[in-house]
Formats: sequence, C-alpha cells, structure tokens
Amino acid sequence: QKEVEQDPGPLSVPEGAIVSLNCTYSNSAFQYFMWYRQYSRKGPELLMYTYSSGNKEDGRFTAQVDKSSKYISLFIRDSQPSDSATYLCAMIKGGSEKLVFGKGTKLTVNP
Amino acid sequence: EAGVVQSPRYKIIEKKQPVAFWCNPISGHNTLYWYRQNLGQGPELLIRYENEEAVDDSQLPKDRFSAERLKGVDSTLKIQPAELGDSAVYLCASSSRGDRGAEAFFGQGTRLTVV
Repeated sequence: QKEVEQDPGPLSVPEGAIVSLNCTYSNSAFQYFMWYRQYSRKGPELLMYTYSSGNKEDGRFTAQVDKSSKYISLFIRDSQPSDSATYLCAMIKGGSEKLVFGKGTKLTVNP
Repeated sequence: EAGVVQSPRYKIIEKKQPVAFWCNPISGHNTLYWYRQNLGQGPELLIRYENEEAVDDSQLPKDRFSAERLKGVDSTLKIQPAELGDSAVYLCASSSRGDRGAEAFFGQGTRLTVV
C-alpha cells in the first residue's frame, strides 16, 4: 500500500461545477498537506498549504484536512476551463523536508 | 523574480549513453531538490541539497545516477549509462530554509526519452 493514495481519474466536469478532489494517507506522521496544480508539460505549482485539521480557503479553492480519517480534500468552486490540469496532493512528515506526492488527478473542465 | 530554470527541456538519447541535466534555483534558495516523475505518477524525490551538502539521497540509484551542487547554487544531475526505464520527467525544485519543503518552487522539468 502506498503512503498516499489518490484516484487518478480522469475527471470531467462542466464549467461552473463544484469539483471535489481527494487523497487518503496511511501514516499518521504526516503533518503538512499541500495541493499542487500541474499543467501539461509544466512543473507543479503550489496551490494550497495547510497544517493540522480544518479548512483553508483561497478564492475559489478550499482545502480540507481530516487527520482523524487521514483524508484530505480540495474543492474548486465555479470551475473554469483554465482549471483543467492535473492536481497533485502532497504531504510532509513532522521533522522531515521530504514531499510525498499522490499520483495526481487529471481534471478537465468543459466550456 | 526568475523562477527555477532547467535545461534542456527535452532530451532523447540511446540506451547506455550518458546524459546530464542542469538546474538553476531561485536566487537565495538554499534548498534544492531533484525529483523524477514517471508518466501518470506523482514526482518522487531523488536527492535534496542544503546548500552544497546532499542531505537526503536515499532514493538516488547511485550505481548510475550522480548529482552535484557546486558552490551551493546550480546543480547537475547525471545518468551514466541510461536505461530504457529512466525515461521520465526530471524536475528540479528549490525552497528557502524553514519552508519545510512545502513552498517548493518547481522548474518546468526535463523530459528524457531513452530509446
């Protein structure tokens, strides 16, 4: 079992839909949780960074962490065609500098 | 501010040939990472530098891979000899001390194809 599990999709939604992306993890040592967006043939770019359980909102994006269930989510409201990309969850264990990534979920938002 | 710069963007080589990738991190970033991303997978760490010191190279296949970061700035990653299974995107990232790797900025990557 991989430390971080993420459904690769693909996920296709109409413009304006609410998108929900999720990851689960097995190691309770993970303390820092990130979501990266990766456009085709580009490097990943950081979208959201959270520490501890709870919600964090940034514009149309909301990151949610539930440490008790070892489950993290990214919600995208009013999705746009420009949101079409692969979304990668990533985590860091306490005392470590090493990012552990999920496989990524490919999202397409159709106009 | 310039981002992380990698070159070349693409490289096609025959198996058993050597290949090298270059990375220039964001100015002032003391931490530099090399990741490998296979098709349909998330990036996996190969090596992490703090200044010129390799502090985590546990995932680097040392029989054929080597890396260096002279003077704690630019870095090169080398494969010799390359194998078919080395085909992947090689990503360089950098971050400032204290960011815990979370706010790492990635370059565009070098897409390697071994034929």
